[in-house]
Amino acid sequence: GQQVMQIPQYQHVQEGEDFTTYCNSSTTLSNIQWYKQRPGGHPVFLIQLVKSGEVKKQKRLTFQFGEAKKNSSLHITATQTTDVGTYFCAGPELYNFNKFYFGSGTKLNVKP
Amino acid sequence: DVKVTQSSRYLVKRTGEKVFLECVQDMDHENMFWYRQDPGLGLRLIYFSYDVKMKEKGDIPEGYSVSREKKERFSLILESASTNQTSMYLCASSLSRQGITEAFFGQGTRLTVV
Repeated sequence: GQQVMQIPQYQHVQEGEDFTTYCNSSTTLSNIQWYKQRPGGHPVFLIQLVKSGEVKKQKRLTFQFGEAKKNSSLHITATQTTDVGTYFCAGPELYNFNKFYFGSGTKLNVKP
Repeated sequence: DVKVTQSSRYLVKRTGEKVFLECVQDMDHENMFWYRQDPGLGLRLIYFSYDVKMKEKGDIPEGYSVSREKKERFSLILESASTNQTSMYLCASSLSRQGITEAFFGQGTRLTVV
């Protein structure tokens, strides 16, 4: 299946610090999605990026899709305790844009 | 609101039992997925279905089978449960289309095989 690698596995930050998670694929992706899973919850869709070099913002969250469409990042500015959770990227299979494979996730802990 | 409902939140089964995990979605989505979530391994795709009676293997189909007899229902079957299948199982569904194809997840079933 599609190999989508994500780093780091864990990140502990002080509230107010920034946070970044990176997602890398061995093959070119037609698009990439990001999800957030709160502790005890299920993954919830955040955003989908489609274009090469695309940058999208959602308040303090900035999502980037690499020029080669093989990597992506999620950056959170000035983290808050509400940002706690696990962030996943997900990429589709090469010839089937509906079949998604998830990365291993980055678990973010924010200390108040 | 899209709703994806998994039949059980928690399940305890014995080794060797046949286990059925049921998932129902109410938004007429073509695509349905079964993922398994384990610490440090993220969500691993077990099976994917893009239509009634259609299925494709994911990364870890061994020991599992699926059934999709109706569009809204996707069942995961553990033919003979083993302790290494103790995990959180997540069902998801999505529309089949170009453009935004977000997946909607159920609340998960935590299965323990003893």
